[in-house]
Amino acid sequence: AQKVTQAQTEISVVEKEDVTLDCVYETRDTTYYLFWYKQPPSGELVFLIRRNSFDEQNEISGRYSWNFQKSTSSFNFTITASQVVDSAVYFCALSFMDTGRRALTFGSGTRLQVQP
Amino acid sequence: DTGVSQDPRHKITKRGQNVTFRCDPISEHNRLYWYRQTLGQGPEFLTYFQNEAQLEKSRLLSDRFSAERPKGSFSTLEIQRTEQGDSAMYLCASSPPVGLAGVQETQYFGPGTRLLVL
Repeated sequence: AQKVTQAQTEISVVEKEDVTLDCVYETRDTTYYLFWYKQPPSGELVFLIRRNSFDEQNEISGRYSWNFQKSTSSFNFTITASQVVDSAVYFCALSFMDTGRRALTFGSGTRLQVQP
Repeated sequence: DTGVSQDPRHKITKRGQNVTFRCDPISEHNRLYWYRQTLGQGPEFLTYFQNEAQLEKSRLLSDRFSAERPKGSFSTLEIQRTEQGDSAMYLCASSPPVGLAGVQETQYFGPGTRLLVL
């Protein structure tokens, strides 16, 4: 069975603060994918990043960075110098690499509110 | 590129009625997925198609739910004899065929259909 835990239900920061969203996962598979999606108030899930389980390199994309640590089963997401437009619900998700199993397992999400 | 589209965006129905939702995937995406999302929760997987074949079904997909993708393009999700517990956002996603470099396994989501059962 797979499980994704996002312990932070809601985070509120002031614009320009840095914020880290935590994601801890459980899986018995040795190969898997991890994802982050953003869900703004409009409701559509927007893909942010995908990582393979055998690639533990951290990644930076503009103000976004991701820290993947297999040893602690964590895939944390940091937003640097947050902006009001970053306000959304952020979901971490996990999927098998097995070609027969494509379902994404999502965490319950972290609602980020960035105050001006 | 046109994204995943879903129709209708909102649906209000009375308990016991049947409803049908449509999803049009991104062009050339041969995989299509349905998820359900209730308030304050992450999406939960319902079912998955590769072309017209339904390859994976969740235990959440009760006998009242049926999904089809007859020509391997758009898909429909039907809920029969709706119950108040079916009220949720129904999300559709698609992903490209295996082999397209750099995009394997990423699912791209549509805007969802929000269902309210009275």
